[in-house]
Amino acid sequence: DAGVIQSPRHEVTEMGQEVTLRCKPISGHDYLFWYRQTMMRGLELLIYFNNNVPIDDSGMPEDRFSAKMPNASFSTLKIQPSEPRDSAVYFCASSFGRQRGPKNIQYFGAGTRLSVL
Amino acid sequence: GENVEQHPSTLSVQEGDSAVIKCTYSDSASNYFPWYKQELGKRPQLIIDIRSNVGEKKDQRIAVTLNKTAKHFSLHITETQPEDSAVYFCAGGGINTDKLIFGTGTRLQVFP
Repeated sequence: DAGVIQSPRHEVTEMGQEVTLRCKPISGHDYLFWYRQTMMRGLELLIYFNNNVPIDDSGMPEDRFSAKMPNASFSTLKIQPSEPRDSAVYFCASSFGRQRGPKNIQYFGAGTRLSVL
Repeated sequence: GENVEQHPSTLSVQEGDSAVIKCTYSDSASNYFPWYKQELGKRPQLIIDIRSNVGEKKDQRIAVTLNKTAKHFSLHITETQPEDSAVYFCAGGGINTDKLIFGTGTRLQVFP
């Protein structure tokens, strides 16, 4: 497997624009996690899915952020409208469910570095 | 709520010396404790993990110890090398949750 795949790797946009980040989890994994990493706040969990269903979105900072997982092999994180304080590295990670593999071991994608000007 | 505290935030050692990073957790139901290494500009990668049914686990130069009574666990790196320089994150997960709670990270610098 190629691992967790994220796109784009880098995104530069202007304040107010819509940003869409994409993630393809490892095939067979039941869980998908979206994280945001900044120097000030470290690694923050934004939202996670189990079998394509959002389980916990308590980390989503505000209504400008939304995430979807239309099928087992694809998820998006959208920011609309974007603001300069959204600049960060966004990681996607995936893992097995309880019955299908070692629980909790998360594999991270390479991340998307977002810069909002 | 669930919380994982990590210390120190930065650590500088001479090549060949040992490095120790410590974490404490608040959720007594936590039973899985991984350590991730993140090199500059790269993704976090799992380097070692431990489950609550053991007190220590080793893999070559790295080891992790767990004290469930005190709710703390530590990463030990022996004979450090410059390529060990990175940010290290501890995390905690439990039987009652599907997510990991990450510590704030330790920036380790190994000087030649």
